[in-house]
Amino acid sequence: DTAVSQTPKYLVTQMGNDKSIKCEQNLGHDTMYWYKQDSKKFLKIMFSYNNKELIINETVPNRFSPKSPDKAHLNLHINSLELGDSAVYFCASSQGGQGGQETQYFGPGTRLLVL
Amino acid sequence: GNSVTQMEGPVTLSEEAFLTINCTYTATGYPSLFWYVQYPGEGLQLLLKATKADDKGSNKGFEATYRKETTSFHLEKGSVQVSDSAVYFCALRTGGTSYGKLTFGQGTILTVHP
Repeated sequence: DTAVSQTPKYLVTQMGNDKSIKCEQNLGHDTMYWYKQDSKKFLKIMFSYNNKELIINETVPNRFSPKSPDKAHLNLHINSLELGDSAVYFCASSQGGQGGQETQYFGPGTRLLVL
Repeated sequence: GNSVTQMEGPVTLSEEAFLTINCTYTATGYPSLFWYVQYPGEGLQLLLKATKADDKGSNKGFEATYRKETTSFHLEKGSVQVSDSAVYFCALRTGGTSYGKLTFGQGTILTVHP
């Protein structure tokens, strides 16, 4: 069973389009995250939700909007896609409340290419 | 703020060579430290972690010791294999206001040749 799954795995689209990436975890965790990995492999947090509540919102354009319908799902919707949005997007989850010691489990990533 | 600095890559080694990937950090408070590994085309997997000073994390022959005095968490392996070829990320995590956020280093690409 896949612990953290993302769909789609690959996404190729035109500039200006709107797209969504879905994430689901079956670990029973209460915290989920979105990270962006650029072409140089640098990873940076975008958002974090705890029990469906937004708790981290880094400096991300308003075109990016996360939505958490329940604790097991955290989707990422991107409006008006730009070339610079091309990256690999990783979803992750963890069980919070461990004072920073908790392990985050990552999904396989969604490779987004904006043409 | 928090930051993590890893040694520049890429690192290229022959099979059975000794591996060190340096990692130093800056953090407020007392962070937990992690090494994650990303195999080609895959997501990140936790390799090992240490949650307090002088702790040693170990897994699959890899080790790292949390050194508070030098703010370091260097990754070592005595004898690498071709299958260890991957990107390695050092990361830290503090509690409090940075709830949940992992701060990553820039990643080090390791290639092991037969």
